[in-house]
Amino acid sequence: AQTVTQSQPEMSVQEAETVTLSCTYDTSENNYYLFWYKQPPSRQMILVIRQEAYKQQNATENRFSVNFQKAAKSFSLKISDSQLGDTAMYFCAFMKLIQGAQKLVFGQGTRLTINP
Amino acid sequence: ETGVTQSPTHLIKTRGQQVTLRCSSQSGHNTVSWYQQALGQGPQFIFQYYREEENGRGNFPPRFSGLQFPNYSSELNVNALELDDSALYLCASRTGGRYGYTFGSGTRLTVV
Repeated sequence: AQTVTQSQPEMSVQEAETVTLSCTYDTSENNYYLFWYKQPPSRQMILVIRQEAYKQQNATENRFSVNFQKAAKSFSLKISDSQLGDTAMYFCAFMKLIQGAQKLVFGQGTRLTINP
Repeated sequence: ETGVTQSPTHLIKTRGQQVTLRCSSQSGHNTVSWYQQALGQGPQFIFQYYREEENGRGNFPPRFSGLQFPNYSSELNVNALELDDSALYLCASRTGGRYGYTFGSGTRLTVV
């Protein structure tokens, strides 16, 4: 069974600092997608960044970047120049096909607090 | 884009009752998934609908059922509510061929 593990339940950094959130996953598949989602108090899941497993280049989106290590099944998220608005729950997710549907398997989440 | 809208935002039901949660997706989003997020946990996949047919289901009993309509709206129905059904229910939709889901803000269901 595919699983996603986020080993850091909570993290806290000062504004403008860089922070890295960890994620490991377990799968026997070779082609898949990995995601980081942000869930602020508004509850809506917001896509932060996506990585296709067949791409060796790490994805980047402005201040957000990933370190994708396929052999180690590791997918960490780095947030540079952190801002107060980055405060939220962050979920790592793996996408798999189940009976033709695309299912997201989420980790337990990391609560990130950016302090002024 | 108008986003994904869920209603109601909060709901309190009594054990044994039935509930219907609603989701209105963006135009063109022919795939909708529903997730259950217990407090302090990551979301769990309930099922997915594509062009009004269920095409995938997670580990949820048959009392969890759904419908998808031609106007890109959908419903999640839960019968015989149990206390453990208390959770945030999230709807997510996308167009075919795209792997980025757009999520709604969820419905917080409390079963007492």
